[in-house]
Amino acid sequence: QKEVEQNSGPLSVPEGAIASLNCTYSDRGSQSFFWYRQYSGKSPELIMSIYSNGDKEDGRFTAQLNKASQYVSLLIRDSQPSDSATYLCAVRAGSARQLTFGSGTQLTVLP
Amino acid sequence: DARVTQTPRHKVTEMGQEVTMRCQPILGHNTVFWYRQTMMQGLELLAYFRNRAPLDDSGMPKDRFSAEMPDATLATLKIQPSEPRDSAVYFCASGFQSDTQYFGPGTRLTVL
Repeated sequence: QKEVEQNSGPLSVPEGAIASLNCTYSDRGSQSFFWYRQYSGKSPELIMSIYSNGDKEDGRFTAQLNKASQYVSLLIRDSQPSDSATYLCAVRAGSARQLTFGSGTQLTVLP
Repeated sequence: DARVTQTPRHKVTEMGQEVTMRCQPILGHNTVFWYRQTMMQGLELLAYFRNRAPLDDSGMPKDRFSAEMPDATLATLKIQPSEPRDSAVYFCASGFQSDTQYFGPGTRLTVL
C-alpha cells in the first residue's frame, strides 16, 4: 500500500464547475498536508497547506482535512481552463522530516 | 522574487559520463531536497539536507549518486557513471524548517 494515494485521473470538469481532488494517507501520525499544482513541463508549485481538521479557504481553493478518516481533499470552485494541471498531494508524517508525495491527479477543465 | 535556481536546465549525455547538477536555494532557507521525477515512479526523494548536513539520502543509489552542499548557497547532485535509466527530471527544493518546500525549475537529464 502506498503511503499517499491519489486517483490518477484524468479528471475532466466543465469550465465553471467545482473540481474535487482527493488524497488518502496511511500514517495516522501525519501532521502537515500540502497541495501542489504542476503544469506540464514545469515544476510543482505550492498552492495550499493545511494542518488542522476542517476546511481552509484561499480564493477559489478550499482544502479539507479529516484526520480520523485519513483523507485530505482540494476543491476548486469556478474551475478555469488555466487550472488544467496535475495536482500533487504531499504529506509529512509525524516523525519524518520530509514530505511524501502522491502520484498526482491530472485535471482537465473543458472550455 | 526569491526563487530556487537550478543549472543546467537541460542535459544530454552519453552513458558512462559524469553529470553534475547544481541548485541555489532561496536565501535564508535551511533545508534542501533533491527529487527525481519520472512518468513511472512519480516524484521520488533522493536526498535531504538541513543546515548543510545530509540527513537522509536513502533514496539515492549510493554506488553512482552523490549529493553535497559545499556552502549555504549551493547544493550539488552528481551521477557517475550515468546510465540511461537515470533519464528523468531532477528537482531541487528548499524550505525553512523543512515543512513548506519551494521547487526549482528542474534539470531535464537524458542519458543516451
